[in-house]
Amino acid sequence: NAGVTQTPKFQVLKTGQSMTLQCAQDMNHEYMSWYRQDPGMGLRLIHYSVGAGITDQGEVPNGYNVSRSTTEDFPLRLLSAAPSQTSVYFCASSPHRDTNYGYTFGSGTRLTVV
Amino acid sequence: GESVGLHLPTLSVQEGDNSIINCAYSNSASDYFIWYKQESGKGPQFIIDIRSNMDKRQGQRVTVLLNKTVKHLSLQIAATQPGDSAVYFCAENLGGSNYKLTFGKGTLLTVNP
Repeated sequence: NAGVTQTPKFQVLKTGQSMTLQCAQDMNHEYMSWYRQDPGMGLRLIHYSVGAGITDQGEVPNGYNVSRSTTEDFPLRLLSAAPSQTSVYFCASSPHRDTNYGYTFGSGTRLTVV
Repeated sequence: GESVGLHLPTLSVQEGDNSIINCAYSNSASDYFIWYKQESGKGPQFIIDIRSNMDKRQGQRVTVLLNKTVKHLSLQIAATQPGDSAVYFCAENLGGSNYKLTFGKGTLLTVNP
């Protein structure tokens, strides 16, 4: 049972480049989300999904797109990277609210935009 | 806007002592709270949670206390060990959606041997 898997672990992009951060979970969790973590800012919600085919915006969605075609996968797309998107990105999943386990987080993707 | 906050950004304790990490929340509609531990270079790890219909919950060496009157949450770690050194985050569910959590900025706990 791998839990939540994020790839890549590290990435350097040039301003204007695009890329997709991958997130996969093998726990059949309905809910998945993306957070970014910046120094002194805590974790901020970018986008989330309550099930396949359903996505919604979080606190800081600008510059990011998501899709949820399967229960397992929830990729995060940066269409035109900007230096302000330099951050550590975490994917998280949860069965539903009535659980004693909260969110399960991936190990993160450290993105640098130059 | 409303947010989850922490009273102390850093906490340094001696090995074997008890640690108390505090968190304030401002949204009275929040009904679910979680504490996470994040070690350097890793993702947050679930420690313990509590719902608003409870005021205390205990786990292994950890206790979470919830005071709804003053909107305060605390995490107590008994007999703190060097492996407990990490950043600790509290998170709240802001009501209206049972899935979205808002995280505080974190407290760095350092355990001195």
